[in-house]
Amino acid sequence: EAQVTQNPRYLITVTGKKLTVTCSQNMNHEYMSWYRQDPGLGLRQIYYSMNVEVTDKGDVPEGYKVSRKEKRNFPLILESPSPNQTSLYFCASSSIVWTLNRESLYEQYFGPGTRLTVT
Amino acid sequence: GENVEQHPSTLSVQEGDSAVIKCTYSDSASNYFPWYKQELGKRPQLIIDIRSNVGEKKDQRIAVTLNKTAKHFSLHITETQPEDSAVYFCAASIQMIGTYKYIFGTGTRLKVLA
Repeated sequence: EAQVTQNPRYLITVTGKKLTVTCSQNMNHEYMSWYRQDPGLGLRQIYYSMNVEVTDKGDVPEGYKVSRKEKRNFPLILESPSPNQTSLYFCASSSIVWTLNRESLYEQYFGPGTRLTVT
Repeated sequence: GENVEQHPSTLSVQEGDSAVIKCTYSDSASNYFPWYKQELGKRPQLIIDIRSNVGEKKDQRIAVTLNKTAKHFSLHITETQPEDSAVYFCAASIQMIGTYKYIFGTGTRLKVLA
């Protein structure tokens, strides 16, 4: 079954304790991305990756790190979590779809989400 | 910076009526506009999308229109049903080699009243 998985699904931690949220996809997608979702703010892109060893900042990268050592995995790292990073986090991956006129469309598939609480 | 404004934030309609959600984007380089539906406690799921060289796209009861000049795009749901109740997000993306940025709207909570 084609899917994006995230672990853990729920995490409560304390300020300053390093944590990693894993993301894995089995669809051989080149593109992967991390978002955070907060009430009233929608989804905001944290980091994205266009291929192995290629990552770039989204809109809200401060306090986060990512790595893309393998195509299927894209972990999100919080080196020193703070309470303002309490949020619902989604990983997503995309395929490249080529239409007849060769334009590419990236349809995103989201993981199930990770609810993180930092106290 | 780039942003996407989405209105209304909440919308209640009677079953069978139509619902319209509107978004405005700021970055004229945006060329891909997806809409996502998110049910309570679940992940966002793509319901329809449109690219910049198309003015309208329809899929059964849902349609999306795009006005590139005005930088507006809208989601139209006809003959609404209770299962359409969810939060809907629009997004604007620049799809080109070397970038994979998405800017989302803040969401519209749609309630379909039976």
